[in-house]
Amino acid sequence: RKEVEQDPGPFNVPEGATVAFNCTYSNSASQSFFWYRQDCRKEPKLLMSVYSSGNEDGRFTAQLNRASQYISLLIRDSKLSDSATYLCVVNVGYKYIFGTGTRLKVLA
Amino acid sequence: DAGVIQSPRHEVTEMGQEVTLRCKPISGHNSLFWYRQTMMRGLELLIYFNNNVPIDDSGMPEDRFSAKMPNASFSTLKIQPSEPRDSAVYFCASIRGGTGELFFGEGSRLTVL
Repeated sequence: RKEVEQDPGPFNVPEGATVAFNCTYSNSASQSFFWYRQDCRKEPKLLMSVYSSGNEDGRFTAQLNRASQYISLLIRDSKLSDSATYLCVVNVGYKYIFGTGTRLKVLA
Repeated sequence: DAGVIQSPRHEVTEMGQEVTLRCKPISGHNSLFWYRQTMMRGLELLIYFNNNVPIDDSGMPEDRFSAKMPNASFSTLKIQPSEPRDSAVYFCASIRGGTGELFFGEGSRLTVL
């Protein structure tokens, strides 16, 4: 079993749609959680950290469920510019463990 | 401020040749990571340095791979001899302290023919 698992997609959604991604992790000792965004042929960049109480940044909402060991990302009012791969990241000690990513394509 | 700087951006080489990838972390960042990204396996941690000391190299695939960090502002990842299955994008990333935002370089895209 992979340490961090994501549905690879692709998720093809129309502009303006709401889309949600989930991610599960296996290590209960995981301490910090993040969503990174990676554009085609570019490096990953931090989208947002994920806090136990849930957090929101504009159109993006992240949730953490420690009991079930999953993390979610909700994108509202999708824009064409949201098309990218979204990587779920779990931090255990010094290790940052990346999921293989979920591809999102927002269609005009 | 300058971000993580990697070179070369692209490398095409023939099987059996030595490849050296370079990384300059963000000034003040004391932790450095080398990752490899492929379509099949995603981002895999190869090696982690803290204060220039290799802490975890369990992700280095074989003895053909080696990494050094002679000072706080420079690290290298060397593959000798290279093989076609080493073809991937190699990312260097750095962070200040133990946790927080991991900053990536633009990556070195390696093709071994």
